[in-house]
Formats: sequence, structure tokens, C-alpha cells
Amino acid sequence: KAGVTQTPRYLIKTRGQQVTLSCSPISGHRSVSWYQQTPGQGLQFLFEYFSETQRNKGNFPGRFSGRQFSNSRSEMNVSTLELGDSALYLCASSFDREGTQYFGPGTRLLVL
Amino acid sequence: GQQLNQSPQSMFIQEGEDVSMNCTSSSIFNTWLWYKQEPGEGPVLLIALYKAGELTSNGRLTAQFGITRKDSFLNISASIPSDVGIYFCAGPPISGTASKLTFGTGTRLQVTL
Repeated sequence: KAGVTQTPRYLIKTRGQQVTLSCSPISGHRSVSWYQQTPGQGLQFLFEYFSETQRNKGNFPGRFSGRQFSNSRSEMNVSTLELGDSALYLCASSFDREGTQYFGPGTRLLVL
Repeated sequence: GQQLNQSPQSMFIQEGEDVSMNCTSSSIFNTWLWYKQEPGEGPVLLIALYKAGELTSNGRLTAQFGITRKDSFLNISASIPSDVGIYFCAGPPISGTASKLTFGTGTRLQVTL
């Protein structure tokens, strides 16, 4: 069974731009959660999608948004990028909202 | 919000040594998870604990769910070079779902030959 895949793996953007990251969950998994990992703040929960609906949201500004498609694939978008948005963005999928989360390799975003 | 503090922050040990690390919380958890993250990869689940006092092993790894429900411990016996990585404790909020995890600050493990 293929694992969680995230694209792209690396991305460089400049301040003010926007970015869209993609996550394909493990086949059959319906819940997708997103996390931001930085050296200063560690791993922090961004949001979770299940059945194309956002079910949980972390403490991040509205510039961070996401969506989930009918095939459970998910995208997250960050608008008006700031230097502090430089981070590793991790996606995790689980069969349902209570199942074990399996993480993808992440997308490393650098904002210049 | 909930905070998970891990100690030590980093460890440098020799191959063959045993390792102990812990995770403490300001509030109680019903589930404790231990993940390992290697460079360039996402976290991988090592052990899951669901009951206070529970002791669970996975090969050379053993984890315990603290009796107070505010802490957890991870031990690695006879460390080998592939144990290198960052170890995170994590758990879902007491009133939330497992899809929203709070992660600890991490313990970075380095193993020398």
C-alpha cells in the first residue's frame, strides 16, 4: 500500500506570494490533518479535513486555509506569505477521525 | 492550551547503551503516542498507549503511560546507529479526536559507534 504522498517536496517563495501544497492520503483513508513544523515552535496542528469538511482548526491566522476533495486528497493554501511561514508542512492521514495517523514526508517551504 | 515538555532535549550515547526519555504535560491525556522522525521524513508511530499504567514494548522500545496520566516514558535498549532521530511524544486533546495531536518538544538522539 502506498504511503502518504506530498507535493512538491521543496518550494521557495517570496514574501507576499501565495502557495498551495498537496497531500494524497493512503488509499481508503478519509481523514487528513495538516501540521506545521518549525525549529522554534515544533510541530503544531493546522487543521483536519474529513468528508470534505474542516472538522478541527488550530491556532493559525486566516491566511492558512485548506480543502479536501471527494477522493480524500487535500490541499492547503497559504496566502500573503511571511518569512515566518518558512517551515516543514506535514500531512497525515488516518482511516477515520480516531485512527492512527500516518505522516507523509512533508513539503519544505522557504519564504525569502 | 496543552503543552508537552520532553527531556532531555538531546542525547549523545554510544552504541549498545540504553536510553531513557520522558514527556510531561500540564494536563491529563487519555492516549500517549511516541513517534520517531528521521531527517527528511515525517514522523513514524512507534508505540501507542491507551491506559494509565500501561507498559508496551515494540522490539527494543518500551513505553509507559504514567499513573497520573500527565506523563509518559520511552526506553530504548541496546541502541544501534539507526536509532538516530528525533523522538516525539504526542496525544490528542482530552475532549477532542485523535486527528488533532499535540506534539512534545522532542528529544534528539545521536548514537556514536
